[in-house]
Amino acid sequence: ELKVEQNPLFLSMQEGKNYTIYCNYSTTSDRLYWYRQDPGKSLESLFVLLSNGAVKQEGRLMASLDTKARLSTLHITAAVHDLSATYFCAVALDDKIIFGKGTRLHILP
Amino acid sequence: DVKVTQSSRYLVKRTGEKVFLECVQDMDHENMFWYRQDPGLGLRLIYFSYDVKMKEKGDIPEGYSVSREKKERFSLILESASTNQTSMYLCASSLAPLTGTREQYFGPGTRLTVT
Repeated sequence: ELKVEQNPLFLSMQEGKNYTIYCNYSTTSDRLYWYRQDPGKSLESLFVLLSNGAVKQEGRLMASLDTKARLSTLHITAAVHDLSATYFCAVALDDKIIFGKGTRLHILP
Repeated sequence: DVKVTQSSRYLVKRTGEKVFLECVQDMDHENMFWYRQDPGLGLRLIYFSYDVKMKEKGDIPEGYSVSREKKERFSLILESASTNQTSMYLCASSLAPLTGTREQYFGPGTRLTVT
């Protein structure tokens, strides 16, 4: 059974700091997605990672995928308040897609 | 820009009522999805559709049905609403199938309360 775990589930950090959100999953997959959700809003796609070693960057966010370790990371560089949101990873396998519970990121000015 | 719209942002229904949640996308996507989002549980897939008149069960289809009569429209139906169906419902569409290589585009969500 495919399981997806994110950690931490809640993160409060200062502006300007770096941090990493982790997404671990239980069964080999090479399709992983990162989404962002602002409070009261819907989900917005950030990254689609489709192979081992894939790395994608957009602004202060960088996502990577290690299929052998069954791990994806979302790294935040020099955080700014606008990045406060909940971040979800989702893993696809066969005919299933499983979302993590989300990481609520709160960036303090 | 892809636009996915949902018929209501907030809905309050009584137990036993039949409830229709409508979703429309304007990008000619073949694939559409219905999820529910609950605190601490993340998103869970209810049903999805690869084509008109085609539907597939997701992880939690019990108590729900769907209809896809036109490519742009995907409806979620609660045959007899129950309080445990109180949730945020999110519709999504994509160029790719469920486990494909493209992202999903989500609608704004419908917060349904069943009393």
